[in-house]
Amino acid sequence: GAGVSQSPSNKVTEKGKDVELRCDPISGHTALYWYRQSLGQGLEFLIYFQGNSAPDKSGLPSDRFSAERTGGSVSTLTIQRTQQEDSAVYLCASSPGVLTDTQYFGPGTRLTVL
Amino acid sequence: DQQVKQNSPSLSVQEGRISILNCDYTNSMFDYFLWYKKYPAEGPTFLISISSIKDKNEDGRFTVFLNKSAKHLSLHIVPSQPGDSAVYFCAARSGSGAGSYQLTFGKGTKLSVIP
Repeated sequence: GAGVSQSPSNKVTEKGKDVELRCDPISGHTALYWYRQSLGQGLEFLIYFQGNSAPDKSGLPSDRFSAERTGGSVSTLTIQRTQQEDSAVYLCASSPGVLTDTQYFGPGTRLTVL
Repeated sequence: DQQVKQNSPSLSVQEGRISILNCDYTNSMFDYFLWYKKYPAEGPTFLISISSIKDKNEDGRFTVFLNKSAKHLSLHIVPSQPGDSAVYFCAARSGSGAGSYQLTFGKGTKLSVIP
């Protein structure tokens, strides 16, 4: 079966523009996570969706960041008025349930803000 | 404040020898630890995990050791193979309460296995 897919794979944008990053989780997975990895850093948790529950947005670095998950499947991470420090690889992961130890990651979207 | 630390950014090992990747943590609430492997242009893939009630977990060539008193864990790969060359991330999570799904990652160690 298909794994987690993300699009685009690369995105170059100008400072101040808005960007949307898309994640298609594994079919049937109820949990979806967004992380980002800045250069030389580990993965940083951003947001978590579980089923129809309210998302945990505690990791979002500023109010310029938002995410939604439509129909319990596809998720979109939106960054408004991008800044250079937003440049990073944005990774999406999904898992079958809440405490399963295996989060399946997509290949990521490399965002470069000029 | 880095709660999961991988102090070696890189490691080179001869094929057939043992690779030892180290990880230290500071949060005593962490009770589940994972190792992920990442190839370039791919997402991390789960490798092996260990619960804090154990001190060792083995899966084929991969063994993870946990020393709770030292807040230290290590991943042993033996024998190392060229296909093991990748970046290895240590990750941890805590308990079963709110936020327990959040994984805290180290910065990674790049392993190069030399043929």
